[in-house]
Amino acid sequence: DTGVSQDPRHKITKRGQNVTFRCDPISEHNRLYWYRQTLGQGPEFLTYFQNEAQLEKSRLLSDRFSAERPKGSFSTLEIQRTEQGDSAMYLCASSLPGRPPNEQFFGPGTRLTVL
Amino acid sequence: AQSVTQPDIHITVSEGASLELRCNYSYGATPYLFWYVQSPGQGLQLLLKYFSGDTLVQGIKGFEAEFKRSQSSFNLRKPSVHWSDAAEYFCAVSSGNTGKLIFGQGTTLQVKP
Repeated sequence: DTGVSQDPRHKITKRGQNVTFRCDPISEHNRLYWYRQTLGQGPEFLTYFQNEAQLEKSRLLSDRFSAERPKGSFSTLEIQRTEQGDSAMYLCASSLPGRPPNEQFFGPGTRLTVL
Repeated sequence: AQSVTQPDIHITVSEGASLELRCNYSYGATPYLFWYVQSPGQGLQLLLKYFSGDTLVQGIKGFEAEFKRSQSSFNLRKPSVHWSDAAEYFCAVSSGNTGKLIFGQGTTLQVKP
């Protein structure tokens, strides 16, 4: 296994368009997280899945954002009617469950630019 | 509310010099603390973590960090910096039930030759 992968790595879109990003976690990891990172800031939590269940969503995740993880494997993050403020790096991470928490492995991210 | 503060946005050190990056956290219970490094074009990589026990933890690449409960701090140190250490460093605290991470805003490390 080569780690967490994300596709695409870069996306440029016009304001008002819809975009979808994909994350493929490490195969045995049943926890999956999405974060958003804007320039000069640390990543901010967006949402969390355990298997196929979306268990937590941040207030940052407006109605225009939706995430899915069908069958508990890969995940998609869709942004509808994109706005310039959505421009950011979208990071995906996965981990095994546990308390204390196990290490989260991060993907390389998808950089979104909204024109 | 849980939060992490990294007071230094940018630090420059000479190669071979020692390094300390500061991190302060706000968390009600015993925190789970992490340091991650992000190099340009690379994903976040875990350097080290603290859950309990010995307050001085060792990580990869020669880094260590010390947990000080009385100061709510988890500072990252390295005795001798290498040019390849130039990157952005993030301190994070984990929300125990879900494991989600709350990050500080990061410290950019520049290494002078």
